[in-house]
Amino acid sequence: DSGVTQTPKHLITATGQRVTLRCSPRSGDLSVYWYQQSLDQGLQFLIQYYNGEERAKGNILERFSAQQFPDLHSELNLSSLELGDSALYFCASSVAEGRGIYGYTFGSGTRLTVV
Amino acid sequence: GDSVTQMEGPVTLSEEAFLTINCTYTATGYPSLFWYVQYPGEGLQLLLKATKADDKGSNKGFEATYRKETTSFHLEKGSVQVSDSAVYFCALLFSSGSARQLTFGSGTQLTVLP
Repeated sequence: DSGVTQTPKHLITATGQRVTLRCSPRSGDLSVYWYQQSLDQGLQFLIQYYNGEERAKGNILERFSAQQFPDLHSELNLSSLELGDSALYFCASSVAEGRGIYGYTFGSGTRLTVV
Repeated sequence: GDSVTQMEGPVTLSEEAFLTINCTYTATGYPSLFWYVQYPGEGLQLLLKATKADDKGSNKGFEATYRKETTSFHLEKGSVQVSDSAVYFCALLFSSGSARQLTFGSGTQLTVLP
């Protein structure tokens, strides 16, 4: 157990629907990161939050949004889902902003299947 | 922008063989470099890291040296085991002000046969 908890582990939904993925970071970590892993795109950085505030944005679609709550858990909202959104979505957390030497701790991911 | 190029896979080796997975990077400034490993059905786990030129990261028999002159961070292991079968990702971390982004290579699938 890495200490980063993601729920649900699996999600199957239809095109056009909206889903919410949840992440609880490792205790003490203030930064949360979301990644999408697909066969054709590899691991793509989506977005970073630090202590409730957005800090960095990667290749995140406008149909996707995220937030980090006061208790530091984060949610990734995916709307108007398309078949191409089927992927593994990972959450990661890190000790503190700017402390790059520690790297990230990853959760086990949510596998989203859009049918 | 920053990018990481990894050796194309898949790589298949016999147990006790020597492993090298090549990784080169393009970055402005001085990123930290990492190798992550992903076992089937699991998330990514940090394998080793290096934060400045000539640093050598090591863990579980794996090693990689941060080579600034060749912008490389190749992963090596002298004697692989079946349990090393996994996907290996090279990554660089660059901080710009308060933003941080970990950029991954495409991953290299390693299969070790008994």
